[in-house]
Amino acid sequence: EAGVTQFPSHSVIEKGQTVTLRCDPISGHDNLYWYRRVMGKEIKFLLHFVKESKQDESGMPNNRFLAERTGGTYSTLKVQPAELEDSGVYFCASSYRGETQYFGPGTRLLVL
Amino acid sequence: SQQGEEDPQALSIQEGENATMNCSYKTSINNLQWYRQNSGRGLVHLILIRSNEREKHSGRLRVTLDTSKKSSSLLITASRAADTASYFCATDARSKSTFGDGTTLTVKP
Repeated sequence: EAGVTQFPSHSVIEKGQTVTLRCDPISGHDNLYWYRRVMGKEIKFLLHFVKESKQDESGMPNNRFLAERTGGTYSTLKVQPAELEDSGVYFCASSYRGETQYFGPGTRLLVL
Repeated sequence: SQQGEEDPQALSIQEGENATMNCSYKTSINNLQWYRQNSGRGLVHLILIRSNEREKHSGRLRVTLDTSKKSSSLLITASRAADTASYFCATDARSKSTFGDGTTLTVKP
């Protein structure tokens, strides 16, 4: 069974540019989560989808971040415009009915 | 302190020794999970222990959970250089996992 996949694995952009991260959850998983680890700090929750609906977006840092999950399958996380402090590793996880969360390999984002 | 706080923050041992990491949390949980992150790579799920379990084993890993003390420990026996990584505990309250800062383990060959 394929795990959670994320694309791209790495992204290097300049401040002010836009970056879109994609997450494909495990097939059949209705719950999808985004997390990030910034500057070697703790991994922090960003938001949680149940199917296509945002269940909890309390961790989204500001309105430069936009997450979507159209159709309730894959999800995208767009950062526009990117700032230096957005650099870090962005993780996606999925679960079935809110049980065990399985994490993807992460996208390493570097904003110069 | 944060939910899912690991202790110690850094641990350096010789290959073959055992490594023990602790995690404390604040609120009620459904389960607790331990993850490993190798430098620059993604999170690898190690083991999940449910709130009604006290101990769980998986290969060289042993996890304990004490819900009365709101704490968990991860023991890695007979450590190897390849175990060098950051280890995180995460409390899974169904809606979101809350992670601690992690313990950085260095295993010297």
